[in-house]
Amino acid sequence: GAVVSQHPSRVICKSGTSVKIECRSLDFQATTMFWYRQFPKKSLMLMATSNEGSKATYEQGVEKDKFLINHASLTLSTLTVTSAHPEDSSFYICSARVPPYEQYFGPGTRLTVT
Amino acid sequence: EDKVVQSPLSLVVHEGDTVTLNCSYEVTNFRSLLWYKQEKKAPTFLFMLTSSGIEKKSGRLSSILDKKELFSILNITATQTGDSAIYLCAVARTGNQFYFGTGTSLTVIP
Repeated sequence: GAVVSQHPSRVICKSGTSVKIECRSLDFQATTMFWYRQFPKKSLMLMATSNEGSKATYEQGVEKDKFLINHASLTLSTLTVTSAHPEDSSFYICSARVPPYEQYFGPGTRLTVT
Repeated sequence: EDKVVQSPLSLVVHEGDTVTLNCSYEVTNFRSLLWYKQEKKAPTFLFMLTSSGIEKKSGRLSSILDKKELFSILNITATQTGDSAIYLCAVARTGNQFYFGTGTSLTVIP
């Protein structure tokens, strides 16, 4: 089946620094990738839709200047958390869309901002 | 407002029991309903349902969709401790958007 990887799996950074998370589709091309944030005991929250070669579409309430998304190729999307703060600490998950309907999720990245 | 509601929020059963998880939705431009199992990290895909009344089955798991009443159920028979997880329901709509429910936390005790 389709495989999506994320790197790093875990990152700790200091408040005020920026962190980049990579999402790769390993054995297929993904024109559309999604970035989710998971809150404790809650479901996934869709942050943005990343389209290859165009600007990402952000969900309401998600700061596009803080969460920079780049989908430069058909197999790679990156999420950069800029000027991270402790409240940005969370589990970030990406997924890649396989037309017409399925999504394959990456294993997630645990971000801790100290 | 588009929404996906799952019930119950949590469930504790004994090994061998049968469980039914519910997912109701109100989503415009419905395209499909998906079930996921989430253990430690990212959810893993279980089923995708697009047509009413057609049961999808995989081992001890099965699921069915009712597009008239806007709900789906996920059945797990002869539960095992390995079935303990959060089960997520998501509805895909046109425009590449997915709406997730908050999940049902299932705990299977030996």
